[in-house]
Amino acid sequence: NAGVTQTPKFQVLKTGQSMTLQCAQDMNHNSMYWYRQDPGMGLRLIYYSASEGTTDKGEVPNGYNVSRLNKREFSLRLESAAPSQTSVYFCASSSTGIFFSNQPQHFGDGTRLSIL
Amino acid sequence: AQSVTQLDSHVSVSEGTPVLLRCNYSSSYSPSLFWYVQHPNKGLQLLLKYTSAATLVKGINGFEAEFKKSETSFHLTKPSAHMSDAAEYFCVVSDRSSGGSNYKLTFGKGTLLTVNP
Repeated sequence: NAGVTQTPKFQVLKTGQSMTLQCAQDMNHNSMYWYRQDPGMGLRLIYYSASEGTTDKGEVPNGYNVSRLNKREFSLRLESAAPSQTSVYFCASSSTGIFFSNQPQHFGDGTRLSIL
Repeated sequence: AQSVTQLDSHVSVSEGTPVLLRCNYSSSYSPSLFWYVQHPNKGLQLLLKYTSAATLVKGINGFEAEFKKSETSFHLTKPSAHMSDAAEYFCVVSDRSSGGSNYKLTFGKGTLLTVNP
């Protein structure tokens, strides 16, 4: 009963390094999302994918890229990491997503990323 | 534009006493509203949702919330707190983006609930 799986769980990077955060869901959901969570800020949407083959910017997309590899997988890439990107990153999925108001999202357990 | 305000950043209660976590929202349309809970080092888990049916919504673990349109509120309550309720709680509104057909989620900044023995 995996739901949404994120890897890695923890990562430390140096400024300027790159890395990709992986996310996979096994619920056959159409829509997937990447958020970052910072203390006192709630969750802010970085990018989302309404359906396989489409991606769109969210509230805070600068410094990130995404790939919707297939229906199950949605990755987030930091090309040149900066200390301001130190955060906890959450992947989420939902069945129909942004076209309907009442669809809850299912979240992974997060990736805790520190950039020195 | 929609917004969510969680009126308390931290609420502390004693085990066995009632819980009240307050949430106010603003929205241009007819929103859906959610409460999520986040335990330490975990992702967010859905507690309950309001989607224009009954205004009193029952969720998991004995929580419920009442949608009050006149007060633009969606407060979360539980009659008797348990130690396992200690977590952070997020109020979320889902509403149409301005001028668009897509729905957007807006998260409150969270309320940390502490339960004292």
